[in-house]
Amino acid sequence: AQTVTQSQPEMSVQEAETVTLSCTYDTSESDYYLFWYKQPPSRQMILVIRQEAYKQQNATENRFSVNFQKAAKSFSLKISDSQLGDAAMYFCAYRRNTNAGKSTFGDGTTLTVKP
Amino acid sequence: NAGVMQNPRHLVRRRGQEARLRCSPMKGHSHVYWYRQLPEEGLKFMVYLQKENIIDESGMPKERFSAEFPKEGPSILRIQQVVRGDSAAYFCASSPPDDRGNEKLFFGSGTQLSVL
Repeated sequence: AQTVTQSQPEMSVQEAETVTLSCTYDTSESDYYLFWYKQPPSRQMILVIRQEAYKQQNATENRFSVNFQKAAKSFSLKISDSQLGDAAMYFCAYRRNTNAGKSTFGDGTTLTVKP
Repeated sequence: NAGVMQNPRHLVRRRGQEARLRCSPMKGHSHVYWYRQLPEEGLKFMVYLQKENIIDESGMPKERFSAEFPKEGPSILRIQQVVRGDSAAYFCASSPPDDRGNEKLFFGSGTQLSVL
């Protein structure tokens, strides 16, 4: 079974600084997708960024980028120029290519942004 | 285009009662997924439905839990004879019919179930 591990229950960053959230996963599959979701206090799950495993190039979305290390099964999220609105719970998720919307989530990292 | 709508947002039940959670997918979406989030944990997959069909229920508890997605109307997650351990946030997500597993899921805001 696939597992997703987020080893940092809590992280904090100063406003305008950069922070990296860690995620590792375990799978025997070669074709899959990885995601980072943001969950603010409103509880809404918001997709931050997505990475296809077959792509070597790391995905980026504005201030958000990932460091995808397929051999190491590592998928970290870097948030640059952190803003107060980035404060939330962040979840790493894995999905097999053939599994439609059935995703495996990590337990999350709570990010605090200090002004 | 409204997003995924879940109601109620909060639901309080006493032990032994039934809980019904509703999910209306985004317009045009025919795939619905239910997830459960226990406190301090990530989301756990429960069930995947298409219109009038259960595709994958590998995450559903064997007893007391059922889900449906009728031809007309919202998807319903039903929990019979609730116990305190059922207290959690239940999320619904939807995706379009041409989803090949590489489309992003659209999540609702969840229903927080509290069992007294």
